[in-house]
Amino acid sequence: AQSVTQLGSHVSVSEGALVLLRCNYSSSVPPYLFWYVQYPNQGLQLLLKYTTGATLVKGINGFEAEFKKSETSFHLTKPSAHMSDAAEYFCAVNNDYKLSFGAGTTVTVRA
Amino acid sequence: DAGVIQSPRHEVTEMGQEVTLRCKPISGHDYLFWYRQTMMRGLELLIYFNNNVPIDDSGMPEDRFSAKMPNASFSTLKIQPSEPRDSAVYFCASSSPGVIPDTQYFGPGTRLTVL
Repeated sequence: AQSVTQLGSHVSVSEGALVLLRCNYSSSVPPYLFWYVQYPNQGLQLLLKYTTGATLVKGINGFEAEFKKSETSFHLTKPSAHMSDAAEYFCAVNNDYKLSFGAGTTVTVRA
Repeated sequence: DAGVIQSPRHEVTEMGQEVTLRCKPISGHDYLFWYRQTMMRGLELLIYFNNNVPIDDSGMPEDRFSAKMPNASFSTLKIQPSEPRDSAVYFCASSSPGVIPDTQYFGPGTRLTVL
């Protein structure tokens, strides 16, 4: 079965600094990969997804992720953090029509 | 569209009581998923439906849990009897049909506390 591993359960960044969240996947078939964000007391919201085609995927709120098959990675980045980016972020991979989620990374943004 | 609707948003009950969580998926979506989120176990898929039919219930923790989808616009997750270890946030999500796995749209969740 496909799975993902998120490196780092907590990330703290200064406002305006680069946000980098790491995700590695394990898959025996070409994976479909997703990043979701969860704000406090809310459900998960899709940031971006990779299915096929271009390996650099742009999402909402200025986030992007690059699919690197050679590194089995799908890291999420944002050039300049904003206070509103404080949330928990989940990487996920498909297993047929199911999603397997990573453990999540909580992002704190310092003023 | 109103998105995925879940009710109630919060539920506090006593051990041994029956709990019913409700979900209305986005109109036109034919996949419906029930997840549970806890600090210890993260996000777990409990069960999912396609066209109102349960496809995979391997994540349902035990016989105390049951889920139904009587029609395309309504699903329930029932716990009977409830136990303190069932305390968690339960999410419902839906997705539209397609050749490839599509985006899942999540509801706001139901926070369940079993005393």
